[in-house]
Amino acid sequence: AQSVSQHNHHVILSEAASLELGCNYSYGGTVNLFWYVQYPGQHLQLLLKYFSGDPLVKGIKGFEAEFIKSKFSFNLRKPSVQWSDTAEYFCAVNAGNNRKLIWGLGTSLAVNP
Amino acid sequence: DTEVTQTPKHLVMGMTNKKSLKCEQHMGHRAMYWYKQKAKKPPELMFVYSYEKLSINESVPSRFSPECPNSSLLNLHLHALQPEDSALYLCASQGRRAGYTFGSGTRLTVV
Repeated sequence: AQSVSQHNHHVILSEAASLELGCNYSYGGTVNLFWYVQYPGQHLQLLLKYFSGDPLVKGIKGFEAEFIKSKFSFNLRKPSVQWSDTAEYFCAVNAGNNRKLIWGLGTSLAVNP
Repeated sequence: DTEVTQTPKHLVMGMTNKKSLKCEQHMGHRAMYWYKQKAKKPPELMFVYSYEKLSINESVPSRFSPECPNSSLLNLHLHALQPEDSALYLCASQGRRAGYTFGSGTRLTVV
C-alpha cells in the first residue's frame, strides 16, 4: 500500500534559521507530489507541487522542494524562516491517475522571533 | 480567500438535526472532494466526485450523504450526527495537472 512518511513531527526554529522537512513515500511508479501548509485556524494552501520535469521545484513564500526519485523523497526547504512560517506542513502524494491523495501525518513548525 | 467557496464557515447542530454543507468552484475542475480534518491531523478523504459521479466513498457512515448537483457544486447532507463527527470539513477540487485547491472549510460542532 502507498504511504507517506514525514520524519519530523515537531520542529522548533529561531527566525533566520534554515529549514528542511523530510518526506518519503512508498510507491514505485509515477507520482505527483505536493506540499501543503496550514496556518493556525486557516485552510490548506498549496506550497508547491511536482508533476514532472525539473526535480527542483520552487513554490510560494520562498519554499522549494527537491524530488529525488532514487530516494523516494520530496523534502521541503527554506533558507531563512520567519515567525510567520509557524504552521502545520503536510506532504501528500498521489500515484498516476489515482484520485486519492495519500497524506503524511504532518510536521508542526514553530518559529520563535 | 480561496477559489473554492464553502458555506457555512461554522455550524453547530444537535444530534437530531439535518443540515447541509455547500461547496462551489468555478475553475472548471471536474473532480471534487469532501475531506474531514481533526486538529493538527491530515485530512481524511470521505468522498470523491469525478465528472459529477461518485467515484470514491471511503466507507463513510450513511449519516453523511454527498450530492453533486452540477460540475460547480458539491453538497454534504448531514443527519443524526454524533459528537465525534465534530471536525473541520473541507471541500477540494482538482483540475488536470493541477494541485488540489481546498476551501476554507466548515467547522462543525455536534452537540
